[in-house]
Amino acid sequence: AQSVTQPDIHITVSEGASLELRCNYSYGATPYLFWYVQSPGQGLQLLLKYFSGDTLVQGIKGFEAEFKRSQSSFNLRKPSVHWSDAAEYFCAVMDTGRRALTFGSGTRLQVQP
Amino acid sequence: NAGVTQTPKFRVLKTGQSMTLLCAQDMNHEYMYWYRQDPGMGLRLIHYSVGEGTTAKGEVPDGYNVSRLKKQNFLLGLESAAPSQTSVYFCASSYETQYFGPGTRLLVL
Repeated sequence: AQSVTQPDIHITVSEGASLELRCNYSYGATPYLFWYVQSPGQGLQLLLKYFSGDTLVQGIKGFEAEFKRSQSSFNLRKPSVHWSDAAEYFCAVMDTGRRALTFGSGTRLQVQP
Repeated sequence: NAGVTQTPKFRVLKTGQSMTLLCAQDMNHEYMYWYRQDPGMGLRLIHYSVGEGTTAKGEVPDGYNVSRLKKQNFLLGLESAAPSQTSVYFCASSYETQYFGPGTRLLVL
């Protein structure tokens, strides 16, 4: 069965600092990978996705993620964090048969002024 | 273009009561999903549908039923609510990428 691990439950960074959120997945075939962001009391918004091709993918709001097959990882990065980035971030892998997502448990990002 | 909408936004039930959550999408997607979100557990798949008239179980289907009578709607039913079903429920629809509704917060007392 597929699974996603986000090892960091909570991360605090200073505004303007760089950010990396970790994601490791387990999936038998070539994975379709996603990062979503959820602000308090809101639904999930897609940040970026990886299906195939270039292993460095660009998303919205200045985020990027790198797919590393050898490490089974899909880490999310941003070079300079803004206070508005404070939210919960979810990594997910798609079951291509059902097209359903398996989510990690999320990483809550806090941004200090 | 409203995307994915969910009703109601919030509901309080007593144990044993029933209710239906409605999800509607206007993107002509074949695939629709119901997830529940609990603290520290991410989102877990309850049921899903690959097209009008079809439904299938996800990872946590017990205590829930679903129907997809129209392509644009996906209903989630709780026949006899239990406190363990207190959660936030999200609906999603997709072609390849899933688009999520705003969620329904359910409290079962």
